[in-house]
Amino acid sequence: DAGVIQSPRHEVTEMGQEVTLRCKPISGHNSLFWYRQTMMRGLELLIYFNNNVPIDDSGMPEDRFSAKMPNASFSTLKIQPSEPRDSAVYFCASALGETDTQYFGPGTRLTVL
Amino acid sequence: GENVEQHPSTLSVQEGDSAVIKCTYSDSASNYFPWYKQELGKRPQLIIDIRSNVGEKKDQRIAVTLNKTAKHFSLHITETQPEDSAVYFCAARKKTSYDKVIFGPGTSLSVIP
Repeated sequence: DAGVIQSPRHEVTEMGQEVTLRCKPISGHNSLFWYRQTMMRGLELLIYFNNNVPIDDSGMPEDRFSAKMPNASFSTLKIQPSEPRDSAVYFCASALGETDTQYFGPGTRLTVL
Repeated sequence: GENVEQHPSTLSVQEGDSAVIKCTYSDSASNYFPWYKQELGKRPQLIIDIRSNVGEKKDQRIAVTLNKTAKHFSLHITETQPEDSAVYFCAARKKTSYDKVIFGPGTSLSVIP
């Protein structure tokens, strides 16, 4: 199994630009999570999906952030417009609901200049 | 909602000594408690988990204990090695239809050779 796949692994962009992060969960998993990790705030849950449906987006910082899961094998997290304070490592994780274990992807390191 | 606290935030031990990390949770309905290890620049990875129907679980040098009455659980690492150096996250989850895990703030463990 390839595990959770994220792209890009690194993204450097300028303030005001649109950023799209991508995630492919482990095949067969029905839960998908987007996290943001910074030194100051630790590991924060932004949003999670169950069976492609957004369940809880209370962690999404503001309207500049949006996430979609058009099918069971793909999700995106979009930031528009991006700001320097969005710089962080963004992790995607997936889980097979009943087993509860979340498997993390390698993360996307985002730098907004 | 659930709140997970973790102590200490940093921990240094001599190689070969034991390390103990403690976590408390607020929601008595939580019944699944995973521990994740995150090495520098890597993704969080599950190292051990425990469910509320058991009080202790061991896996080689790692053990986790759970006290449901007191709502706290601990990670014990024996015979520490330099490769144990990492940030460790505890987490808690309720058995609901959706898999939302609440993470603690993390403990940075340094094992000194």
